Amino acid sequence: AQSVTQLGSHVSVSEGALVLLRCNYSSSVPPYLFWYVQYPNQGLQLLLKYTSAATLVKGINGFEAEFKKSETSFHLTKPSAHMSDAAEYFCAVSRDPNYGGSQGNLIFGKGTKLSVKP
Amino acid sequence: NAGVTQTPKFQVLKTGQSMTLQCAQDMNHNSMYWYRQDPGMGLRLIYYSASEGTTDKGEVPNGYNVSRLNKREFSLRLESAAPSQTSVYFCASSGGLAPSQPQHFGDGTRLSIL
Repeated sequence: AQSVTQLGSHVSVSEGALVLLRCNYSSSVPPYLFWYVQYPNQGLQLLLKYTSAATLVKGINGFEAEFKKSETSFHLTKPSAHMSDAAEYFCAVSRDPNYGGSQGNLIFGKGTKLSVKP
Repeated sequence: NAGVTQTPKFQVLKTGQSMTLQCAQDMNHNSMYWYRQDPGMGLRLIYYSASEGTTDKGEVPNGYNVSRLNKREFSLRLESAAPSQTSVYFCASSGGLAPSQPQHFGDGTRLSIL
């Protein structure tokens, strides 16, 4: 079965420090992968997506993610955290249409809340 | 740039009451989705509509019904609300079910059932 695992439900960093949010996926086919961000009391906003064109994907707000097939990972990073980055981040993988069960086209991880300390 | 619009933004219901959550998108998307978000559970798919005229169950459909009114609108109905349905509900849309299609989300409806 396909799944997405986000390691760490809460991550805290200091302002200016490196942000690293971890995502591992399982998929029997080459996946499409997405990172979304959710600010308090708002919906999810697309940060970036991987569609096999390049393994390093750049997104909005200075975030980037690297696809590593050998590690089945798609970790999200930002070199220097800003207070405005405090939010919840969701990793998602495209659904393989050959699997049965619930459809819709994306499977979401449970999310990682990022706190940024001044 | 409205994107996906959900109404209402907040609602409090009593157990047993019914209610319809409305969703409309202006991006000419084919597919639409309803999710619920609960603490520590991430997003769980309730129902989705691959295209106008079709609807299908997702992961947690019990207690809900949906209607794809036209290409723009996709409503979610709670026929007899229960406290377990207290949650934040998100509507989303995408160009289609193809794996490359990202979903675009509304700002959510915060629903409390007493």
